[in-house]
Amino acid sequence: GNSVTQMEGPVTLSEEAFLTINCTYTATGYPSLFWYVQYPGEGLQLLLKATKADDKGSNKGFEATYRKETTSFHLEKGSVQVSDSAVYFCALSDHSSYKLIFGSGTRLLVRP
Amino acid sequence: GAGVSQSPSNKVTEKGKDVELRCDPISGHTALYWYRQSLGQGLEFLIYFQGNSAPDKSGLPSDRFSAERTGGSVSTLTIQRTQQEDSAVYLCASSSRKTSGSVAEQYFGPGTRLTVT
Repeated sequence: GNSVTQMEGPVTLSEEAFLTINCTYTATGYPSLFWYVQYPGEGLQLLLKATKADDKGSNKGFEATYRKETTSFHLEKGSVQVSDSAVYFCALSDHSSYKLIFGSGTRLLVRP
Repeated sequence: GAGVSQSPSNKVTEKGKDVELRCDPISGHTALYWYRQSLGQGLEFLIYFQGNSAPDKSGLPSDRFSAERTGGSVSTLTIQRTQQEDSAVYLCASSSRKTSGSVAEQYFGPGTRLTVT
């Protein structure tokens, strides 16, 4: 069945450091891929998405590229801020079932 | 405009009691989803409603769980004879009808934190 694997946290970085959170997936067909973010005390928000191979999703300085050959969708940001501290979830949705399959989440802590 | 709302925000119940959790989706959204977020299992899909179609109940963990959606809008998730392992945050999401070639974004509510003592 479909599944998503992402790196375990917590990830602790200093402000302005480079961020990578790895995400790989297993799916039949061609799923859409998402990164959701959950800030402390808040609900899940869509951060970015990509719907086909080689698409790059981007938002708020974050980027992720849909790599079909490596079944990956790694999240990157060139310079993190304290306000980026949150839990990040990688997810996929195939075009038949619509439901989201989530990874386990990665907690990011950015220190000033 | 208003986002997805859920009530109550917190619910503490005794083992064996029934609970009802409510979700108000974004107006006009035809699809509604329930997920569960727990420490041991992460984020899991529970059930999906799309318009007047039969719901996809494939994620419900047991027959103690049921959900309905009245009038294509508000949804209620009911857990009967609650157990301690039901303790989790229950999240509701809604989306508009999927457009051809893409997957409609799901908008999440703040969740209901359920604690079974």
